[in-house]
Amino acid sequence: SYELTQPPSVSVSPGQTARITCSGDALPKQYAYWYQQKPGQAPVLVIYKDSERPSGIPERFSGSSSGTTVTLTISGVQAEDEADYYCQSADSSGTIQVFGGGTKLTVL
Amino acid sequence: EVQLVESGGGLVQPGGSLRLSCAASGFTFSSYWMHWVRQAPGKGLVWVSRINSDGSSTSYADSVKGRFTISRDNAKNTLYLQMNSLRAEDTAVYYCARARGSSGSYYFDYWGQGTLVTVSS
Repeated sequence: SYELTQPPSVSVSPGQTARITCSGDALPKQYAYWYQQKPGQAPVLVIYKDSERPSGIPERFSGSSSGTTVTLTISGVQAEDEADYYCQSADSSGTIQVFGGGTKLTVL
Repeated sequence: EVQLVESGGGLVQPGGSLRLSCAASGFTFSSYWMHWVRQAPGKGLVWVSRINSDGSSTSYADSVKGRFTISRDNAKNTLYLQMNSLRAEDTAVYYCARARGSSGSYYFDYWGQGTLVTVSS
């Protein structure tokens, strides 16, 4: 079965840049999407189609893609950005959707 | 305002059944593909199933194939998930989500608040 791999945790100080990676064999063929989830809340879409930002999402959130790895970058991290972040994509055939295991972002 | 409200969760014994509902409002429900995503306590998001806009096409994760059935009633603006032969590992918060995208690449722009399903004796 298809898998997306994320680091379990990333820690940064306020104002620094956080980078969260997501790796998967089908990522050169399929778009990646990113979600932020805070405790007790439903996920919120923060990046779609690798690098597009939905309306209402701060400009400090950006996405990029290179080969089999996509990256969510949060510039000038704020305390409110502390959350779990999940990448999501599809397998090469587009039959199933897959989430990465999630990355806990800690703001020191 | 787009709203998705799940219901139907609860405590069920192993081997039992449960039907989840997701009431949609604030958008043209019949125009969108819909998905179910679950999250076990303290764990990550897991995609469960999807259905196309008119209900003629469905897809399932291997872990639920043959046990779960997704359906929809566009006249009632409601999405369903019939869950049979439930196992302890099906314990999770179940979210319904509206999908955008095409050609197999979908993302979820709106989510419900989730409904908790607990499978235990």
